[in-house]
Formats: sequence, structure tokens, C-alpha cells
Amino acid sequence: AQKVTQAQTEISVVEKEDVTLDCVYETRDTTYYLFWYKQPPSGELVFLIRRNSFDEQNEISGRYSWNFQKSTSSFNFTITASQVVDSAVYFCALRMVWGSQGNLIFGKGTKLSVKP
Amino acid sequence: DAGVTQSPTHLIKTRGQQVTLRCSPKSGHDTVSWYQQALGQGPQFIFQYYEEEERQRGNFPDRFSGHQFPNYSSELNVNALWLGDSALYLCASLLLVYQPQHFGDGTRLSIL
Repeated sequence: AQKVTQAQTEISVVEKEDVTLDCVYETRDTTYYLFWYKQPPSGELVFLIRRNSFDEQNEISGRYSWNFQKSTSSFNFTITASQVVDSAVYFCALRMVWGSQGNLIFGKGTKLSVKP
Repeated sequence: DAGVTQSPTHLIKTRGQQVTLRCSPKSGHDTVSWYQQALGQGPQFIFQYYEEEERQRGNFPDRFSGHQFPNYSSELNVNALWLGDSALYLCASLLLVYQPQHFGDGTRLSIL
């Protein structure tokens, strides 16, 4: 069975601090995709990044960076110099390449609060 | 370019009633998936519609049913509502299965 675990339920930081959101996944498949989505209070899930299981290169996009480690089944997300606008719930998700029809398995999310 | 739109935004029902939620996919997308997000939880996959048929289904009872129309819009129907159905219902659309899904703002359903 596939599963995504986000052990951190809530994190609170002060603006400009760096923060890392943890994600651990379980799957027996060798080919899969991993995602991060942001959910602001409005409810919409905003796509942030997709990684496939063959690409373990870390990725940086502005203040955001992602660390994918297949050996530990982790796909962690770091926000550098956090801002109040980063406050949201962040979800890590897993999708199989075969048989999923694009549908996602989500973790329970981590609520990030960035205080000024 | 309109994104995924859902209606209504909020809905209040009582136990035993039935409800219909609506979704219009992002322009150019032909596949619609529905997710249920209970308070404090991650979204859970309900089912997916493609070519007006249910293509895949998650672990939800038959009380949850859906429909897709020729214009690719979709409806989610829930019968015999009970308190546990209170949740945010999210609709997502995509064109190709390997592409990221695009989500709407959701419909918040409250059961009294």
C-alpha cells in the first residue's frame, strides 16, 4: 500500500527564519511522482513542484528548495527567509506512474504559521 | 484562462438529505477527479471521470456517485448524508495523467 507521512502537524516561525517541512513516503513501486501543494485559507490547492522517482536532483526555485532522497524515502521542502505570505497548509503527495490515472495520495499536511 | 470552478462555495444540509456539487474543469482539460478533505486531514480521492464514465474509484461507499457531461463538467452526488460527510470537497482537472492536477477552491459541506 502507498502512504505519505507528514509528521509535523504545525510549525510556527518568525519572519525571515528558514523552515523545513518533512515528508516521508511508502511505496513498493519503482516509478512514481512526488508533489508538494500549498493550501491557503481560501482552500484551493496550489501546485508547487513535481519530482519523478528517477530524478534525485535537488531543486531550487527562488526561496523554495526540495531535497529528494530515495534511500530514506523522503522529499523535504525548505523555505528560506520565510515571509508572512508563506503561511498556509502544505501537503506532500504521491502518485504512481502506472494505474493511478493521475490521482494523488496525500499526507495529512503541515500547517505553517509565519509571524511578523 | 479560467481555472477549475466549483459551486456552491458553502452548503449546509441535514442528516439523511442528498446533495449535488458541481465542477467545471480548467479550459482544455477533459478529466475530473473529486477529493474529500475532512478538517485537519489531507484530501482523499473519491473518484475520477473521463469520457463521461467513472474511470477510477477510491474507498468510498456507493452513496457517493458522480456524472460527467459532454462539456467535461462534472457533478458529485452524495445520498443519505451523515455527520461524517462534513468536509471540503475538492475538484481537480487534468488533460494528461502524467501532468499535475489543477484544483478548484472547493465546496465546504456542513451536515447538521
